[in-house]
Amino acid sequence: EVQLVESGGGLVQPRGSLRLSCAASAFTFSNYGMSWVRQAPGKGLEWVSTISATGLTYYADSVNGRFTISRDNSKNTLYLQMDSLRGEDTAVYYCAKCAGSGFLFYYMDVWGKGTMATVSS
Amino acid sequence: EIVLTQSPGTLSLSPGERATLSCRASRSVDSSYLAWYQQKRGQAPRLLMYGASSRATGIADRFSGSGSGTDFTLTISRLEPEDFAVYFCQHHGSSPLTFGGGTKVEIK
Repeated sequence: EVQLVESGGGLVQPRGSLRLSCAASAFTFSNYGMSWVRQAPGKGLEWVSTISATGLTYYADSVNGRFTISRDNSKNTLYLQMDSLRGEDTAVYYCAKCAGSGFLFYYMDVWGKGTMATVSS
Repeated sequence: EIVLTQSPGTLSLSPGERATLSCRASRSVDSSYLAWYQQKRGQAPRLLMYGASSRATGIADRFSGSGSGTDFTLTISRLEPEDFAVYFCQHHGSSPLTFGGGTKVEIK
């Protein structure tokens, strides 16, 4: 069964950093684009970032310059390095598999359970 | 940026009833890049529909999607107890990827 398991969330102070991980299994990880989507408490879904199978990266304006998405195909793992964190970054962060290798034109067909990141002093 | 507006915000219905959810785009989009997701309380979203009208693997045929241009609809023909959840539409044909604000389908 295709599975995505996020980790790395926690409590961090404003202007701090956090690194999220997403371990993938049961599919050829290197063939697919991967995304991060977040959901603030009681709110809707917000796309954060996508990395294509070839390593091209894309970011929402709200995180561009502060967050870095990366992948390690040898470990079947996706990462999100979050720096200069703000209170508005508080959310559950979901890892999602894209249905194809790229960024645009592919819906998200598998989602992880999410990891909570809380930014507060 | 494509803004997706979902209505109603909340739909109060009884099991067995028909649910009709709307997703309106701020400008015309290719229906190939319109998806729907279901999110139950405390769970991750799950893909329901893609290409506006194609059901994802394992999705019951009581779910159907339609629409084109700026207006899209998700219909649940007869609500089952497990269908009470929040539903989001998504456009993935241009950057940034965007989601609608969601429609909560609750038990009346």
